[in-house]
Amino acid sequence: DQQVKQNSPSLSVQEGRISILNCDYTNSMFDYFLWYKKYPAEGPTFLISISSIKDKNEDGRFTVFLNKSAKHLSLHIVPSQPGDSAVYFCAASVISFDKVIFGPGTSLSVIP
Amino acid sequence: EAGVAQSPRYKIIEKRQSVAFWCNPISGHATLYWYQQILGQGPKLLIQFQNNGVVDDSQLPKDRFSAERLKGVDSTLKIQPAKLEDSAVYLCASSFWSQETQYFGPGTRLLVL
Repeated sequence: DQQVKQNSPSLSVQEGRISILNCDYTNSMFDYFLWYKKYPAEGPTFLISISSIKDKNEDGRFTVFLNKSAKHLSLHIVPSQPGDSAVYFCAASVISFDKVIFGPGTSLSVIP
Repeated sequence: EAGVAQSPRYKIIEKRQSVAFWCNPISGHATLYWYQQILGQGPKLLIQFQNNGVVDDSQLPKDRFSAERLKGVDSTLKIQPAKLEDSAVYLCASSFWSQETQYFGPGTRLLVL
């Protein structure tokens, strides 16, 4: 029973263009959402998060959008750079319960 | 500031053997997590410690997996006996307190033959 879904296993984008990574969740109790980035042979690193009281959060080239009614969030990277090539994990939690549930990840390739 | 340290980085064993992984969290971090990441899937929480107490071990296969964090700092995760399906990357993470950002170590890649 996958509570956090990332239906695109991979994505290729040209350098300088926008990368859009999508994530869907099923548990309406989730109230905090995170994106982690993972390079090969390294552990995931925190990228950006959003609380359910907001619908957008921006940090430099990274913006996360949350659509609670659709149980959908997306990560936008503008402009995409070759160093952004990595696996991106969407994750969700119920703050009061602390436990973080990760999606299966999307592998992003940014082509120079 | 040193990150989360894990060892070994790689381990190959035969099924039914035992194996242990070690994790040293970021200094001062009270919460420590062990995750299992199977190829093509996201990390799955196995156990969470708050200092040296267990907060959540609901997804730990307790018939073969065990973990401890005796002095509230380092932690070890053990598998005994290992099965083929235990082949995965075992990630350790820590956070200053629960509900704070988690910082991950590089992981231990386990292959069970």
